This record gives sequence, structure tokens and C-alpha cells, in this order.
Amino acid sequence: DADVTQTPRNRITKTGKRIMLECSQTKGHDRMYWYRQDPGLGLRLIYYSFDVKDINKGEISDGYSVSRQAQAKFSLSLESAIPNQTALYFCATSDPRQVLTFGSGTRLTVV
Amino acid sequence: GESVGLHLPTLSVQEGDNSIINCAYSNSASDYFIWYKQESGKGPQFIIDIRSNMDKRQGQRVTVLLNKTVKHLSLQIAATQPGDSAVYFCAENITPDRLAFGKGNQVVVIP
Repeated sequence: DADVTQTPRNRITKTGKRIMLECSQTKGHDRMYWYRQDPGLGLRLIYYSFDVKDINKGEISDGYSVSRQAQAKFSLSLESAIPNQTALYFCATSDPRQVLTFGSGTRLTVV
Repeated sequence: GESVGLHLPTLSVQEGDNSIINCAYSNSASDYFIWYKQESGKGPQFIIDIRSNMDKRQGQRVTVLLNKTVKHLSLQIAATQPGDSAVYFCAENITPDRLAFGKGNQVVVIP
């Protein structure tokens, strides 16, 4: 099994719909992250969590929310999807050194 | 599918030659830097890291150089192989808790 598992791998949704992206990790790390990747823009941080009671906004949190259900699970929600949220989404977990282990990504298309 | 390498600086290198990928970082207070490799359809993977108390660190076929005076990081890949074709990202710890990623460099290995 992969260290970080993201579901779904691909999703097409309509504008205005609520969608949840799920992430689980088997590394046993406390820290988890959600990033968004757009062509030519690199990886931008949406939200991060250092334990189940800790949630922090990243640089582009507007339009997104997260839930840390357990140490191993961190989900990202788009409350009302819009086309400019079409992107690749990556979940990651890190050790205390900040070395990130990424999932394989979710390709989200909002039409 | 859409490539995350669109609009990125591209380095084309002959198989067997050495590659040098450059990165300018933004925060003079950053003290930890990481290089990631992202192959098509996958999440980024850790390659090598370096702390600011070092100016060079070597791994297997890779070397990272850090020049704090000009805030410059480079990744050298020796004897480049087709499997090295990917997008390479540098990252710096802009705060003790967060990494900021560069926009990436595409490496294309010519057989």
C-alpha cells in the first residue's frame, strides 16, 4: 500500500456542487497538508494540520475547508466548486524535518 | 492529460551528460532546502535536502549546492538517464512549519 493514499484519482464535477477529496497516510506522522498544483505555478499550500486539533490556513484557503478526522486522515472540501478550482490536488504528510511524502494526486475538473 | 510541465523552463540534456538545475529562493532566513522530483502522473518525490550550515551535500548521482550570499540553490545530476526526465522543484522553509515551492524546472533527457 502507498504511504499516502488519495481518493478519488480523477473527478469531474459541476459548478456549485460540494465535493470532498480524501486522504489517508500510513507513515504515522502528525503533520498533514493539502496542496494545489496548476501548470507553471508550482505547488501552493491550501491547508495544513499538525495534529487532530490543529488546523491552519495556507496561502490559498479561500473556497476550501478541511477536516482532520484522525491522525491518519485529512480531507479537503470544496463547498461550492467553481471552474478556477480545476487543478491537481496533492495531500502530503511530513516528518519533523519537513520532508514531505506526497500522494499520487487527485485531478479535479469543475465544469 | 495536462502536463504540470507546461510553461516551465526546460533543460534538454543528452543521456549520459550531467544536468544542472538552478533555483533562486526568496527568504534569507530560510535554513532548510529540499529538492523534489515529479514524474508525469505522479506526486513529487524527495530527492535530497540541505541545511543552511552546509554549502554542499551529495547523494547517489545527485549533488545540491547552496549559495546563501546570492540565495541560490542548484541540483546537479551526474550521468543523466532517461528516468531522470521529470519536473524538479526546489523548496525552502519560509517558516519553521511551512515549505514554499519554486515553480519548477522541466528536464528532458534525449536518448
